[in-house]
Amino acid sequence: EVQLQESGPGLVKPSQSLSLTCSVTGYSITSNYWGWIRKFPGNKMEWMGYISYSGSTSYNPSLKSRISITRDTSKNQFFLQLNSVTTEDTATYYCVYGYKGDYWGQGVMVTVSS
Amino acid sequence: DVLMTQTPVSLPVSLGGQVSISCRSSQSLVHSDGNTYLHWYLQKPGQSPQLLIYRVSNRFSGVPDRFSGSGSGTDFTLKISRVEPEDLGVYYCLQSTHFPYTFGAGTKLELK
Repeated sequence: EVQLQESGPGLVKPSQSLSLTCSVTGYSITSNYWGWIRKFPGNKMEWMGYISYSGSTSYNPSLKSRISITRDTSKNQFFLQLNSVTTEDTATYYCVYGYKGDYWGQGVMVTVSS
Repeated sequence: DVLMTQTPVSLPVSLGGQVSISCRSSQSLVHSDGNTYLHWYLQKPGQSPQLLIYRVSNRFSGVPDRFSGSGSGTDFTLKISRVEPEDLGVYYCLQSTHFPYTFGAGTKLELK
């Protein structure tokens, strides 16, 4: 079974960049789709984007100018970078497997605060 | 973006009972390939969301048959029968037919 684990800083200052890593075991990231979803305080969920088996990416237009999803196939990891963060980017960030979110990581809570 | 209207926001239930959650989309979720990409998730307290139902009515691996999904076009329903304690949490629908993918606001299933 595929397993995903997010890692990264839990606190980021406003205007800086948020960088997270998703480490995958049990399945190669050169197959299928791998994405990022975030859950804001309260229950609102937002699909952020994904990287495909070929390395192509698709991003939520609301984030398009700030988001980048990349990967390192040698380490079976993929990454999220979100630039110019504000307090509105405070959320729990999840990496997911598959276009329909078959499996999710445990999530990492990121707070944007000075 | 496709707006997903999920109701109710809160759903009190007795153990052993049956409940339904509705998800309505602002436009048809039938993809040009003929499939309808509407999925349901449950987030239990302290856990990550887990996939329950994909493409309207297909139960994901390991999901009990107490969970069933139905609907078409813009109107979809998740039914849970014989509710058990492990079914409590927040349920979400997600559409991945139209870009960007969008979620419903969530329905909290809790004990009466």
